[in-house]
Amino acid sequence: GAGVSQSPSNKVTEKGKDVELRCDPISGHTALYWYRQSLGQGLEFLIYFQGNSAPDKSGLPSDRFSAERTGGSVSTLTIQRTQQEDSAVYLCASSLNGGLGYTFGSGTRLTVV
Amino acid sequence: QQQVKQSPQSLIVQKGGISIINCAYENTAFDYFPWYQQFPGKGPALLIAIRPDVSEKKEGRFTISFNKSAKQFSLHIMDSQPGDSATYFCAASKDQGAQKLVFGQGTRLTINP
Repeated sequence: GAGVSQSPSNKVTEKGKDVELRCDPISGHTALYWYRQSLGQGLEFLIYFQGNSAPDKSGLPSDRFSAERTGGSVSTLTIQRTQQEDSAVYLCASSLNGGLGYTFGSGTRLTVV
Repeated sequence: QQQVKQSPQSLIVQKGGISIINCAYENTAFDYFPWYQQFPGKGPALLIAIRPDVSEKKEGRFTISFNKSAKQFSLHIMDSQPGDSATYFCAASKDQGAQKLVFGQGTRLTINP
């Protein structure tokens, strides 16, 4: 596609439920990143996929968070047993060969009630 | 650990004025310093970026000034316009951007007409 597509754009879930957030990167981009943006805060790195290499999971805040990337394209970020502090905008970005100039999607706004 | 510190948190400038946002970093291994612009409800978009081998980069009304010895860099927006009103993030990464970005906390810029 022309840009990075994320779905859903908004998600409201009850505390304790699991959620899945989807990212469809720009076609041909081998690098894919997930970031989290809490209200009024900067962007916090979560996870990075580059081609067939093992992902850099160093930013995942707890073992309730996981992500996968199937076929080197679409990625899914899963949050299990959601907590209120998980409420944030989850942003996905992709880049060509992990190089300069990420392109971000518009994000998924997650609200845990 | 906050590796990139950004100031001010908010800034109001009159139309036609110069907007200046500052960032300081700690990790001397950083070698790629982008600025992102984010409008409400959208993901951040790359505005301009610099590497440490130059002290200044200009693109239209936007200029990055870089001071390697002080570990500081800044964004200058000349002839600021109401359409420049947005949140601006500085960031830094290693390996010429082929790794995760570390973001500043963001500056909400308002240009008064």
